[in-house]
Formats: sequence, structure tokens, C-alpha cells
Amino acid sequence: AQSVAQPEDQVNVAEGNPLTVKCTYSVSGNPYLFWYVQYPNRGLQFLLKYITGDNLVKGSYGFEAEFNKSQTSFHLKKPSALVSDSALYFCAVRDGGGGYNKLIFGAGTRLAVHP
Amino acid sequence: DTGVSQDPRHKITKRGQNVTFRCDPISEHNRLYWYRQTLGQGPEFLTYFQNEAQLEKSRLLSDRFSAERPKGSFSTLEIQRTEQGDSAMYLCASSLVQQGNTIYFGEGSWLTVV
Repeated sequence: AQSVAQPEDQVNVAEGNPLTVKCTYSVSGNPYLFWYVQYPNRGLQFLLKYITGDNLVKGSYGFEAEFNKSQTSFHLKKPSALVSDSALYFCAVRDGGGGYNKLIFGAGTRLAVHP
Repeated sequence: DTGVSQDPRHKITKRGQNVTFRCDPISEHNRLYWYRQTLGQGPEFLTYFQNEAQLEKSRLLSDRFSAERPKGSFSTLEIQRTEQGDSAMYLCASSLVQQGNTIYFGEGSWLTVV
């Protein structure tokens, strides 16, 4: 079965510093990976996805993610954190093939950016 | 493009009552999904539709839950005889197969069963 793991419940970073939110995956076949962000009492907003191609994927709000096949990781990164980036971040993997697109989510990582 | 719309945003109901949530997907999106999210957890898949056909239901979707998408546009999720364990946020999402199938979520409907 496809799965993702987010090993950190919370990540703390100072404003202006680079941030990394970690995600590892376990899939059979090619991985289709996603990052979403959730602000308090809101739905999930799509940030970026990896399907194929370049290992560095650029997404919304200055975020990017690095796909590493040998380490089965898909870490989310941003060069300079903003206080407004504070939110809950979810990594997800597509379950199934042939165009089937159900997502399996990790438990989430809370990002706290301090002024 | 107004995004995925869900109604109501919040619902408080007494145990044993029935509740219904409505979802309007992004226009022309042919896939529609329902997920459930409890506090401190990631969203869990419940069911999905391709146009009006319900193609998969999770084991989480007990007999008290039913979802419909009668005309391939909006969808409803009904919970009968609610239990306190049903308290959660119910997220609707949609995607268009022909445009890379990225899934876009609505703001969610919070259910509190008292």
C-alpha cells in the first residue's frame, strides 16, 4: 500500500531563515507526490506536485520541493520563511494507477515561524 | 473559477439526528471526492465520483453514510443517526482528469455531534 510519513509533528524556524518540512514515501511503482497547506479552520490549499521530470519542483508562495528517489523523500523547502507561512503542512501520495487519483495523506507537520 | 464550495461550513447536531452536506465542485471538474479530517490527523478518503458514478467507497464509510452526485455536478453527503464519533471536518474536493488531475479542496464543513 502507498503511504507517506511526516516524521516531525512541529517545525520551528525564525523569520527569514530557510525552512524544511520533511516527507518520506513508500510506493510501488512511480511516486506521484503532493504538498498541501492548511490554515486554521480552513480547507487544504494545493502547493505543488511531483509527477515526473526535474527533481526540484517549484510551487506556490515561493515553496519548492526536492524529490530524492534514493532516499524516498520529498521534502518541502523555502529559502526565507515568513510569519504568514505558519500553518499545517501535509504531504500526500497518489494511490493507484491508470489515472486513478485518490490521495493518501501524512499526519501533517505544524510549521511555526517566529518573528 | 470560484473554487470548491461547501455548505454549511459549520453544523452542530444532536446525536441521532441526520445531517446533509452539499458540495459544489469547480465548474466542469469531472471527479469529486469526499474526505474526513479529525483534529490532529490528515484527511482520510471516504469516497469519490467520476461524473455521476460513485467509483469507490472507503471502509470508513459505514452504512449510515451515503453520498450522491445525481447529475454529475454538485454532491451531497448524508450522515444518518449521527454519533459523537462522526464529529469531524468533512472536506470536498474536485479534479479534472484532462488537466493533470490535481485535486483542489473546499473550505470544509465542520460537524459537531453533541
